[in-house]
Amino acid sequence: AQTVTQSQPEMSVQEAETVTLSCTYDTSESDYYLFWYKQPPSRQMILVIRQEAYKQQNATENRFSVNFQKAAKSFSLKISDSQLGDAAMYFCAFLRDTGTASKLTFGTGTRLQVTL
Amino acid sequence: DAGVIQSPRHEVTEMGQEVTLRCKPISGHNSLFWYRQTMMRGLELLIYFNNNVPIDDSGMPEDRFSAKMPNASFSTLKIQPSEPRDSAVYFCASRAWTSSHNEQFFGPGTRLTVL
Repeated sequence: AQTVTQSQPEMSVQEAETVTLSCTYDTSESDYYLFWYKQPPSRQMILVIRQEAYKQQNATENRFSVNFQKAAKSFSLKISDSQLGDAAMYFCAFLRDTGTASKLTFGTGTRLQVTL
Repeated sequence: DAGVIQSPRHEVTEMGQEVTLRCKPISGHNSLFWYRQTMMRGLELLIYFNNNVPIDDSGMPEDRFSAKMPNASFSTLKIQPSEPRDSAVYFCASRAWTSSHNEQFFGPGTRLTVL
């Protein structure tokens, strides 16, 4: 079974600064996908960024980027130029996809605070 | 597209009552997922369907929980009888097999409180 670990229950960053959220996972699979989801106080789960395990290049989406280290089974999220709207819970998730079977396994989340 | 629709958004009920949560997936999506989120256990997959057929219900906590998907545009999660420990936020999500990104789209969730 896959496990996802987020070792930082809470993080804080000043507006305009950069913060990195950590995520490690455990799997014996070679093909999989990794995601970061954002959950603001509204509870809506919003996909921030995704990474395919077969891709060596780290994914980027505007101010969001990942550091994917497959051998180390590490998948950290970097938020640059932090904004107040980035304050939320962030969940790392693992997907072992065999086509039609797709079970997401989530980490326990990191609460990000953004201060002025 | 309206996205995944869940109803009700909030439900307060008394222990022992039957609770039915509803979900309308995004049109054209083939897979539907039910998740539960609690402080203690985080986000857990309860069950998922492919083309209206239940594929994996290993996450359903006990026989008091049941889920159905009578057609491609509707699913229910029922708890009977409900207990205070069932209090949680329940999310429905859907996914299109044609998507190369494997993204699951989440609904806004139903916050269930069992007194």
